[in-house]
Amino acid sequence: EPEVTQTPSHQVTQMGQEVILRCVPISNHLYFYWYRQILGQKVEFLVSFYNNEISEKSEIFDDQFSVERPDGSNFTLKIRSTKLEDSAMYFCASRRQGMNTEAFFGQGTRLTVV
Amino acid sequence: AQSVTQPDIHITVSEGASLELRCNYSYGATPYLFWYVQSPGQGLQLLLKYFSGDTLVQGIKGFEAEFKRSQSSFNLRKPSVHWSDAAEYFCAVGAHNNDMRFGAGTRLTVKP
Repeated sequence: EPEVTQTPSHQVTQMGQEVILRCVPISNHLYFYWYRQILGQKVEFLVSFYNNEISEKSEIFDDQFSVERPDGSNFTLKIRSTKLEDSAMYFCASRRQGMNTEAFFGQGTRLTVV
Repeated sequence: AQSVTQPDIHITVSEGASLELRCNYSYGATPYLFWYVQSPGQGLQLLLKYFSGDTLVQGIKGFEAEFKRSQSSFNLRKPSVHWSDAAEYFCAVGAHNNDMRFGAGTRLTVKP
């Protein structure tokens, strides 16, 4: 069964460093998302991406964040200069085109900023 | 903008007992509604979804949910809970099933 895969499963980074979280969406899906979940809190929408551009982003997704689909299969989230409060589980999701289709989530990347 | 409220942060039920987890949403148009389950350290697994049609939807693992437009609710139910159902449950609402908004989650504990 096709699935969304995320790498790495856990990343530790120093405050101020850049980090790139990687996702391989399901191959025939066209909509891509990033969500984050701070430990013990709700899942929060970050950004949605379609047709090689951001279609919507939340207030969390500030200038420190960027997304890219560099090669037609990967979907990446970059945090330019990490802060302690960026520590969270980051989930990638993808959805195929069409109405009445649900998003499929990856297993997440746990980002720890020290 | 859409939003979701899950009034119960933590629920404890005995194994074999029935379960109902509450979810209320706010959205101006017809919502797309979802329930996801998250086991500790795991990702989000879709339990069931509502897009249109029959307001009572069946999901995996014996779960069902009922969409009640008049109450802006989409409560999750299970007639008999198993110990393996212990997890965090998230209700979510989507606008044209794009960029979902999640509730804060309800943690389910199952007593033997």
